Amino acid sequence: KNEVEQSPQNLTAQEGEFITINCSYSVGISALHWLQQHPGGGIVSLFMLSSGKKKHGRLIATINIQEKHSSLHITASHPRDSAVYICARGEGSQGNLIFGKGTKLSVKP
Amino acid sequence: DGGITQSPKYLFRKEGQNVTLSCEQNLNHDAMYWYRQDPGQGLRLIYYSQIVNDFQKGDIAEGYSVSREKKESFPLTVTSAQKNPTAFYLCASSLRGPDQPQHFGDGTRLSIL
Repeated sequence: KNEVEQSPQNLTAQEGEFITINCSYSVGISALHWLQQHPGGGIVSLFMLSSGKKKHGRLIATINIQEKHSSLHITASHPRDSAVYICARGEGSQGNLIFGKGTKLSVKP
Repeated sequence: DGGITQSPKYLFRKEGQNVTLSCEQNLNHDAMYWYRQDPGQGLRLIYYSQIVNDFQKGDIAEGYSVSREKKESFPLTVTSAQKNPTAFYLCASSLRGPDQPQHFGDGTRLSIL
């Protein structure tokens, strides 16, 4: 059973729409990661957060540790935001990550 | 610029053949990881290494082997014992310890001829 669940699995939006991707996990954690996988396969780390909210450009990540839930928001979405967005939680003391299956986002012009 | 380099980008293997995927980083990271990605599944950990000359099995280590003779390099060998090797393989590195962001290479796509 994957301990990190993402929703939705697929998301299609029109350019300019506000987008929300959700992530829930089943065990207590100290930090949650959001990553972006480009169509070519490369992965970029977007955020690592342990509380509250972080913002970078049009991307906002929030986390509620008590509810074991995190969201990734994209404001004013653009076709270049089309990618797979992955959340992951840390496991153990050695930095290993448990990954969700990803949310495939397609933003249409 | 610092980063992680994986090579080759595409690799083809014949039945019964071992192949080695390269992963090199110049970020001065102690920790390195190998993941496998299959369609519709999350990344799964194959092997990881926290320090030179030491490595541990991940969740799906059977049919794979690694070495960590240098800090910069963490090659992965897909052996003939791996019966379903067709997948996308990603290498990552980070500083040691929990809650460190991982930096990823661009991946190697392995296919069986």
